[in-house]
Amino acid sequence: EVQLVESGGGLVQPGGSLRLSCAASGFTFSGYWMHWVRQTPGKGLVWVSDISTDGSESRYADAVKGRFTISRDNAKNTLYLQMNSLTAEDTAMYHCARVKTDSSGNYYVGYDYWGRGTLVTVSS
Amino acid sequence: EIVMTQSPATLSVSPGERATLSCRASQSVSSNLAWYQQKPGQAPRLLIYGSSNRATGIPARFSGSGSGTEFTLTISSLQSEDFAVYYCQQYNKWPPLTFGGGTKVEIK
Repeated sequence: EVQLVESGGGLVQPGGSLRLSCAASGFTFSGYWMHWVRQTPGKGLVWVSDISTDGSESRYADAVKGRFTISRDNAKNTLYLQMNSLTAEDTAMYHCARVKTDSSGNYYVGYDYWGRGTLVTVSS
Repeated sequence: EIVMTQSPATLSVSPGERATLSCRASQSVSSNLAWYQQKPGQAPRLLIYGSSNRATGIPARFSGSGSGTEFTLTISSLQSEDFAVYYCQQYNKWPPLTFGGGTKVEIK
């Protein structure tokens, strides 16, 4: 059974840092691109970042570029999101998600598995 | 960035009735559109990709259609477990991947 379990969220002061983790199981983690998506009641679902299977490529939403770093450890089947210089705007539930590709294996067509998320609250 | 707009925000439907949800893109996304279902306290679940392809294990009562800028998710006969929030997402031009604001399907 595929499982994605996030951890590391919590209450942090503005300007602070947090490192989120996403533990993957039930599939060959190293074979999949992985993403982070955050969710708030006001803004809904917002894409944050993605990372290639070997970690050599990554991309970021403009709102987090330069502050967040995505990484992965394929030996530990774990995805990470290092978040620095946090602001109230970063308050959200953070989900990790596995990419589903088309039959060629080359193109994104959706997220076939998501974690339930870890809540990050930025407040003084 | 492609903006996705869903309507209505809330849809009140009786069990057994048909539900039709709409999603509009600010520019053409071809057929590169997915739909997700989310229940309270749960992660989103992929329903449809490629505008009309059901994901693994999704019942046939869920169907998707459309291309370009106008898309529809239809639930042919609502079951109790279908009351949830539904999101569309475009993946034609990204990053960023973008989602609609959601449609809540509630019991009438």
